[in-house]
Amino acid sequence: GDSVTQMEGPVTLSEEAFLTINCTYTATGYPSLFWYVQYPGEGLQLLLKATKADDKGSNKGFEATYRKETTSFHLEKGSVQVSDSAVYFCALISGNTPLVFGKGTRLSVIA
Amino acid sequence: EADIYQTPRYLVIGTGKKITLECSQTMGHDKMYWYQQDPGMELHLIHYSYGVNSTEKGDLSSESTVSRIRTEHFPLTLESARPSHTSQYLCASSDLGPAYEQYFGPGTRLTVT
Repeated sequence: GDSVTQMEGPVTLSEEAFLTINCTYTATGYPSLFWYVQYPGEGLQLLLKATKADDKGSNKGFEATYRKETTSFHLEKGSVQVSDSAVYFCALISGNTPLVFGKGTRLSVIA
Repeated sequence: EADIYQTPRYLVIGTGKKITLECSQTMGHDKMYWYQQDPGMELHLIHYSYGVNSTEKGDLSSESTVSRIRTEHFPLTLESARPSHTSQYLCASSDLGPAYEQYFGPGTRLTVT
């Protein structure tokens, strides 16, 4: 079945550092890809998405590009802030099935 | 403002009690979901629904049940709570179609003593 693998955390960075969280997927067909973020004490919210190969999703300085050839959707941000500390989930959806989530990566940014 | 609500936000109950976790959305979404989130953050889909009178079990075996009598309402019930049910429960909804995002509620943190 479909699956998502993302790098395990926790990831700890200093403020203004560059962030990469790796995400690869296995899917039949042509999935849509998502990054969700969960701030402490809250539910998940959509950060960005891409629906076809070579699409780039971006939001709040975060970016991810849908790479079909490497089945990847890595999340990047050029300069992280303390307020970016959260748990990040990579996810995919294919056809009419529910979202498939990765296990989550906890990011801590220290001042 | 369109939103998705969960009540209660926090609940502490004794073993053997029957509980219902409420989830409502005002967006008219056909699809609704329940997830269990363990302390390690991983999300496990326990139930979902694609419309009124439609419910399916998810990937994680659960002793809970759900109902979908109205589009906006998707309650989850535990007939007899046990300490193993202690967890965070997240409700979500989305439009039909694969590219539509899921909107999540704030979650219910359940502790069974």
